[in-house]
Amino acid sequence: GAVVSQHPSWVICKSGTSVKIECRSLDFQATTMFWYRQFPKQSLMLMATSNEGSKATYEQGVEKDKFLINHASLTLSTLTVTSAHPEDSSFYICSARHRSNEKLFFGSGTQLSVL
Amino acid sequence: GQQLNQSPQSMFIQEGEDVSMNCTSSSIFNTWLWYKQDPGEGPVLLIALYKAGELTSNGRLTAQFGITRKDSFLNISASIPSDVGIYFCAGLNSGYALNFGKGTSLLVTP
Repeated sequence: GAVVSQHPSWVICKSGTSVKIECRSLDFQATTMFWYRQFPKQSLMLMATSNEGSKATYEQGVEKDKFLINHASLTLSTLTVTSAHPEDSSFYICSARHRSNEKLFFGSGTQLSVL
Repeated sequence: GQQLNQSPQSMFIQEGEDVSMNCTSSSIFNTWLWYKQDPGEGPVLLIALYKAGELTSNGRLTAQFGITRKDSFLNISASIPSDVGIYFCAGLNSGYALNFGKGTSLLVTP
């Protein structure tokens, strides 16, 4: 089956540093990748939608200069949390839309803790 | 995106009992999906529904796509301890991102 690899699975960083999270579709091409954020005991909230080769579309309230998204190829999207602060601590999950069948597949998530 | 109304918020049941949870929306969706999420993991797709009125099973799980296209339910029969987790409904329209429910936390005691 289609696999989405998300890396790292967890990261701890100091306040003010930047963290990059990778999302790769391992055995399929993804036309679109989605980035979600999930706070403890809450649902997944869409942060942004990215299409290969174009700028990401951010949801209301999500700062595009803080959460940089790069979608340089049909198999890789990255989310960089710039100048991270403790309130950015959360579980970040990516999802990729299969180019052929348009089904959605989720990564296993990245737990970010900012000290 | 719109967040869906999912209930109940949590359930605490005994092994062997049946479970039912549902999801409603003020908007129509073309696809309804049910996911299960274990702690520290991404959601895993359980059942996908593509047509209004569709009733689909996956082992002990059964889900239905409401006729109005604004609701869906998920049933789990004869629950077992490994059913523990958070269950999310999600609505989808082609070309857009998923809209998730708030989740139903399920606890099963042996």
